[in-house]
Amino acid sequence: GAVVSQHPSWVICKSGTSVKIECRSLDFQATTMFWYRQFPKQSLMLMATSNEGSKATYEQGVEKDKFLINHASLTLSTLTVTSAHPEDSSFYICSAELGQGGNTIYFGEGSWLTVV
Amino acid sequence: QKEVEQNSGPLSVPEGAIASLNCTYSDRGSQSFFWYRQYSGKSPELIMSIYSNGDKEDGRFTAQLNKASQYVSLLIRDSQPSDSATYLCAARFGNEKLTFGTGTRLTIIP
Repeated sequence: GAVVSQHPSWVICKSGTSVKIECRSLDFQATTMFWYRQFPKQSLMLMATSNEGSKATYEQGVEKDKFLINHASLTLSTLTVTSAHPEDSSFYICSAELGQGGNTIYFGEGSWLTVV
Repeated sequence: QKEVEQNSGPLSVPEGAIASLNCTYSDRGSQSFFWYRQYSGKSPELIMSIYSNGDKEDGRFTAQLNKASQYVSLLIRDSQPSDSATYLCAARFGNEKLTFGTGTRLTIIP
């Protein structure tokens, strides 16, 4: 299947700092990427839909100023958690769509964020 | 509101038996359906996609789709301990976001 790579796999940051997570589609161009977060033993929660060259569409309840998403190219989307707090500690996962409209969505490996 | 429902389990199946996972969805307009496997602490991995009524087989996995009854199922033949994971069912209408079920936790008993 298609490969979606996330970096870093895990990161520890101090409270109040910002951290950036990258999501790359390695062997295909992804017009649309999705960002999720998942708490232990809970379901995936969609945070936002990222479209190349335009502003991300955020889900209700997700602060766009806190979770900055940039989709500058067809192979790269970034999520920046700004002014991180311990409650932001979670598993963040990106996914990318192969093709457009109804096609398969592949997930990256995920990034564990711990805010101390 | 579009919903996808799964039995959360846990579902326990003896090794070598057939594991049957079921999923129902509320949006009759959904067009694409996916099964993902998620190991603890890892991200979801695509197992099967299905778009048309009927069965689709890939190795030990068979996905079944019945649009009239709005259900999707996944059968795992010759279950192995490595199949123990949470299985996520997802539905999609056009190019909208995936709607996920809460997942079914499957345990294969050696």
